[in-house]
Amino acid sequence: QQPVQSPQAVILREGEDAVINCSSSKALYSVHWYRQKHGEAPVFLMILLKGGEQKGHDKISASFNEKKQQSSLYLTASQLSYSGTYFCGTAMFSGGYNKLIFGAGTRLAVHP
Amino acid sequence: DGGITQSPKYLFRKEGQNVTLSCEQNLNHDAMYWYRQDPGQGLRLIYYSQIVNDFQKGDIAEGYSVSREKKESFPLTVTSAQKNPTAFYLCASSSAGIGYTFGSGTRLTVV
Repeated sequence: QQPVQSPQAVILREGEDAVINCSSSKALYSVHWYRQKHGEAPVFLMILLKGGEQKGHDKISASFNEKKQQSSLYLTASQLSYSGTYFCGTAMFSGGYNKLIFGAGTRLAVHP
Repeated sequence: DGGITQSPKYLFRKEGQNVTLSCEQNLNHDAMYWYRQDPGQGLRLIYYSQIVNDFQKGDIAEGYSVSREKKESFPLTVTSAQKNPTAFYLCASSSAGIGYTFGSGTRLTVV
């Protein structure tokens, strides 16, 4: 039931691009993306709902393909501040509770 | 400013002892959640609640208990039945269609 994230880790130079993928074996209602810095709480980046819409947040965007039960997070022209662990959280309607199940995370390190 | 407050930030538990982690939110969110995070791991759901006086078990509820007597509060008790409680505990809240807001976490260590 836990979504699978890939890759597990990414190392970038400033200005490079990266893609993080999240796939589920279950039909999804929504996909959330969060970033966590070491020792801190995860911070919400964006939510994608059924319909395959793509969202953007500065130079970070994401897509959701509900038929393939997959979502991808795109980081373009990476900055040092992008370093951290990225988690996708997937939601299925479950008796009205929209609980999130998180993937294991993708560690991203951006170097000068 | 609205947010979620978790306390304490660090907690030490002796063998066989119950401890309670506090979580309070002033965001007027309906739903609240407790997650456990182990080093290098993702977040695993312990308990969640959408309304007062109602809550549901998550994937790893054994050894934990919760209450939801007020909309703003969702305390988590780690009981002596939880054999490996050392972890980072995160509380979160949300309303329909929006992302989670997380508290700053409680780091629990067994001594």
